[in-house]
Amino acid sequence: KAGVTQTPRYLIKTRGQQVTLSCSPISGHRSVSWYQQTPGQGLQFLFEYFSETQRNKGNFPGRFSGRQFSNSRSEMNVSTLELGDSALYLCASSLSPGGVDEQYFGPGTRLTVT
Amino acid sequence: GESVGLHLPTLSVQEGDNSIINCAYSNSASDYFIWYKQESGKGPQFIIDIRSNMDKRQGQRVTVLLNKTVKHLSLQIAATQPGDSAVYFCAEKEYGNKLVFGAGTILRVKS
Repeated sequence: KAGVTQTPRYLIKTRGQQVTLSCSPISGHRSVSWYQQTPGQGLQFLFEYFSETQRNKGNFPGRFSGRQFSNSRSEMNVSTLELGDSALYLCASSLSPGGVDEQYFGPGTRLTVT
Repeated sequence: GESVGLHLPTLSVQEGDNSIINCAYSNSASDYFIWYKQESGKGPQFIIDIRSNMDKRQGQRVTVLLNKTVKHLSLQIAATQPGDSAVYFCAEKEYGNKLVFGAGTILRVKS
């Protein structure tokens, strides 16, 4: 079956702009989590969605937001972009929240803020 | 914690040798741990997991050891191959599906 897909794969934005990233989970998976990966901070949890509800949120400012649709696809939005938002944004899907269901990661969206 | 350094530790091994990658975790209440492999241009890929009621688990060519006393995990890769070259992360699972990742270790396999 198809893996987690993320679009776009690469994005270049200017400071102050906003951006929306998309994630399509594996078919049948209803939980979607987002992570930011940078050389300085490593992989950091942004938020998790299940059944269109945010279940968990990491320590990021309110400029970072997300949502999940009824088909489990998820989007994250970053407003008023800063240079420090340049990162690889990863999406992971799993069957359900919690437990020991394996999380499958997508290839990520590489965001560059200039 | 979740802060990591800019420079990842690197482990260089000869093809065919065994590799051991270590990781310290922070939360003594964590009960589920996972090792991931990340190749260039790709997202992390699940390797093996272990629950806190175990101290060892084996997979194909990989073994994870858990020492809860000192909050330490290790990943052993037997007969390391060039295709094993990647960055390896340990992760502990917190509430829901939140993963807290370690800093990562670069594994370089010399042919």
